[in-house]
Amino acid sequence: GNSVTQMEGPVTLSEEAFLTINCTYTATGYPSLFWYVQYPGEGLQLLLKATKADDKGSNKGFEATYRKETTSFHLEKGSVQVSDSAVYFCALSENTGRRALTFGSGTRLQVQP
Amino acid sequence: NAGVTQTPKFQVLKTGQSMTLQCAQDMNHEYMSWYRQDPGMGLRLIHYSVGAGITDQGEVPNGYNVSRSTTEDFPLRLLSAAPSQTSVYFCASSYGSVANTGELFFGEGSRLTVL
Repeated sequence: GNSVTQMEGPVTLSEEAFLTINCTYTATGYPSLFWYVQYPGEGLQLLLKATKADDKGSNKGFEATYRKETTSFHLEKGSVQVSDSAVYFCALSENTGRRALTFGSGTRLQVQP
Repeated sequence: NAGVTQTPKFQVLKTGQSMTLQCAQDMNHEYMSWYRQDPGMGLRLIHYSVGAGITDQGEVPNGYNVSRSTTEDFPLRLLSAAPSQTSVYFCASSYGSVANTGELFFGEGSRLTVL
């Protein structure tokens, strides 16, 4: 079946540092890929998405590129802020059948001033 | 704009008790779903619905029942709670095929503890 693997956290960075959170996936067919963010005490919200190979999703300074050859969708940001502290989830869609999202286990990011 | 509303936010149950987690959305979304979030395991799909009167099982449906009598509401029932059901539960909805849009709108979560 489909699965998503993320790097374990927590990831602790200083403000203005460069961020990379790794995400790889296993899927049949051609899934769409997503990053969700969960701020403390809140539900998840969509951060960015890519629906086909080589697409780049971007939002709020975050970027991720859909790499079919390496089955990866790594999240990057050039300069993190304290307000980026949250848990980040990589996810993929099942384009047939259940119409659900498969989530990774999440990576907690802590940004220190 | 309320979005997805879940109640209660916190609940403590004893083993064997029953309860219902409520979920309501005011966005006229056809698709609604329930996930549970456990440490180190991400979110796992319990049940979902693609419209009123239609429900289906997700990845971890055992011990849970759902119904969808209206577009707005999608309650999750625990008939006989077990400690393994201690978790944070999220309701989420979508306006179209989640496979295409990927945009699920989540509630704030319900933290359930079963003693």
